[in-house]
Amino acid sequence: DAGITQSPRHKVTETGTPVTLRCHQTENHRYMYWYRQDPGHGLRLIHYSYGVKDTDKGEVSDGYSVSRSKTEDFLLTLESATSSQTSVYFCAISERPPYEQYFGPGTRLTVT
Amino acid sequence: AQRVTQPEKLLSVFKGAPVELKCNYSYSGSPELFWYVQYSRQRLQLLLRHISRESIKGFTADLNKGETSFHLKKPFAQEEDSAMYYCALSAPNYNDMRFGAGTRLTVKP
Repeated sequence: DAGITQSPRHKVTETGTPVTLRCHQTENHRYMYWYRQDPGHGLRLIHYSYGVKDTDKGEVSDGYSVSRSKTEDFLLTLESATSSQTSVYFCAISERPPYEQYFGPGTRLTVT
Repeated sequence: AQRVTQPEKLLSVFKGAPVELKCNYSYSGSPELFWYVQYSRQRLQLLLRHISRESIKGFTADLNKGETSFHLKKPFAQEEDSAMYYCALSAPNYNDMRFGAGTRLTVKP
């Protein structure tokens, strides 16, 4: 597996609380991505980064923000968690599009 | 806009039978197409990409630009092929990759 870790791996939180998920890579890849995986929807892109401090929105960005202050770390923040954000979140990295993406192990988030 | 469609959410075959997972895409240029696989409790991993034209674990996929399809095939399915399969599209002028909704393949003994 490519050097990608995600933390935490599991989290249960209450509606209205902020949540931050972390993705850490050791591959020095320029591009990093956050996806959510839901049954019937596959993987949907939330946000991505194409360099330090360079980020852009994906398909389902509402309610999420991201930050990338270092090449190796990409943070996803749910500003005020809602039950609709219960999902499995995957981080991915890539040297550059259209190269393949390498995925982290995922974070299972439950919002009660 | 780029779009990937996997028409079958579930697909079930018997061991030793041929299997085909369908993928159709919409994109006007020359895309890069991929198949990713996710085995139970594991991370997504690349199965194959069309540009490499190689066969992985007995799977092949042919890009048909006329039909805008990239179907995944295997002549003899094995039980260990049971997994979730995602077709994905990327393009040189796009920064992201678009995934289909996925097909869950079950290979029965």
